[in-house]
Amino acid sequence: DAKTTQPPSMDCAEGRAANLPCNHSTISGNEYVYWYRQIHSQGPQYIIHGLKNNETNEMASLIITEDRKSSTLILPHATLRDTAVYYCIVRREGNTPLVFGKGTRLSVIA
Amino acid sequence: DAGVTQSPTHLIKTRGQHVTLRCSPISGHKSVSWYQQVLGQGPQFIFQYYEKEERGRGNFPDRFSARQFPNYSSELNVNALLLGDSALYLCASSPTGGYQPQHFGDGTRLSIL
Repeated sequence: DAKTTQPPSMDCAEGRAANLPCNHSTISGNEYVYWYRQIHSQGPQYIIHGLKNNETNEMASLIITEDRKSSTLILPHATLRDTAVYYCIVRREGNTPLVFGKGTRLSVIA
Repeated sequence: DAGVTQSPTHLIKTRGQHVTLRCSPISGHKSVSWYQQVLGQGPQFIFQYYEKEERGRGNFPDRFSARQFPNYSSELNVNALLLGDSALYLCASSPTGGYQPQHFGDGTRLSIL
């Protein structure tokens, strides 16, 4: 079973920031938080990952709380092309398999 | 650089048949994993291969098998197909280990009639 809890769906206005929450209260010290998204009919796309520090790349920012029990993925300026299912995954170091939950369906609205 | 490539993109089979799905990893990636995604669900782990050896197996029956070749490409085989095997089959590749992310192909859509 997935070790994360995400809301099933969210809406975001185009051009606004999309903040996607994820709870992972049972995370262990050697487990990373990964985010993927899946646009309809495509394979999951890697977005970002982190251990305990906040991370930022060209796609998004990842904010992990100090106790590491939850995190937020931030898409700073959402576009219609960001409409997708977003998966938050907790994964142990060492190329272990990804365990997907049902994710959050983000709809970006014009 | 090319991403993970999978073939075929779509496939239709009938119950009882056998199917082989193929995956070419990103250049330089030595690990390949297979996932099954049924409609409305997240992907579910089937197999992981690294350096041609099986490194992990999910909760799937023995009808499912896989192998990895010296060039790190991989095949997933499914025997005695059932209607419930209809799904999107995804391949992901990654470098050797650590915390590096897996990168996915766009999958093979398998339909069983």
